[in-house]
Amino acid sequence: AQTVTQSQPEMSVQEAETVTLSCTYDTSESDYYLFWYKQPPSRQMILVIRQEAYKQQNATENRFSVNFQKAAKSFSLKISDSQLGDAAMYFCAYRRAGGSQGNLIFGKGTKLSVKP
Amino acid sequence: DTAVSQTPKYLVTQMGNDKSIKCEQNLGHDTMYWYKQDSKKFLKIMFSYNNKELIINETVPNRFSPKSPDKAHLNLHINSLELGDSAVYFCASSQRTGWGYTFGSGTRLTVV
Repeated sequence: AQTVTQSQPEMSVQEAETVTLSCTYDTSESDYYLFWYKQPPSRQMILVIRQEAYKQQNATENRFSVNFQKAAKSFSLKISDSQLGDAAMYFCAYRRAGGSQGNLIFGKGTKLSVKP
Repeated sequence: DTAVSQTPKYLVTQMGNDKSIKCEQNLGHDTMYWYKQDSKKFLKIMFSYNNKELIINETVPNRFSPKSPDKAHLNLHINSLELGDSAVYFCASSQRTGWGYTFGSGTRLTVV
């Protein structure tokens, strides 16, 4: 079974600084998708960034970028120029690709605090 | 227009009651899901429903049952509510051949 591990229950960053959230996953599949979701106190699940496993190029969305290491099964999220509004729970997630795609499997989350 | 809408947003009820949470999506997606987020924020799949094919997570008690009147709706019915059912329940939808999920805003269920 696929698993997703986030080893940092909590992280803290100074406003305007950079922070990296870690994620590793375990799968025997070769084709899959990886995601980072943000959940602010409003509890809405917001898609931050996504990566297709067959793409070698790391995904980037404005201040958010990932470091995807397929061989190491690692998918970290870097947040640059951190803002107060970035404070939230961040979830790494995995989904098998293919004709009958699997469900979204989540890690346990990392709570990010941003200090002014 | 809200893409995936859940009602109610908050639900407080007594043990032993039966309750339903409604979910509707207007994205034309063919697959819908229910996830449970526990007090430690862990998100776990409960059900997925695609074209009348229901896939149940084996750990879900049979007091929980999804009901889909059509492709745009997947309601969650819970019988004989227990204290441990208190959680946030999220509905989501996607295309089976796509890769993106869209989540509803969640329903916080409190059983007292």
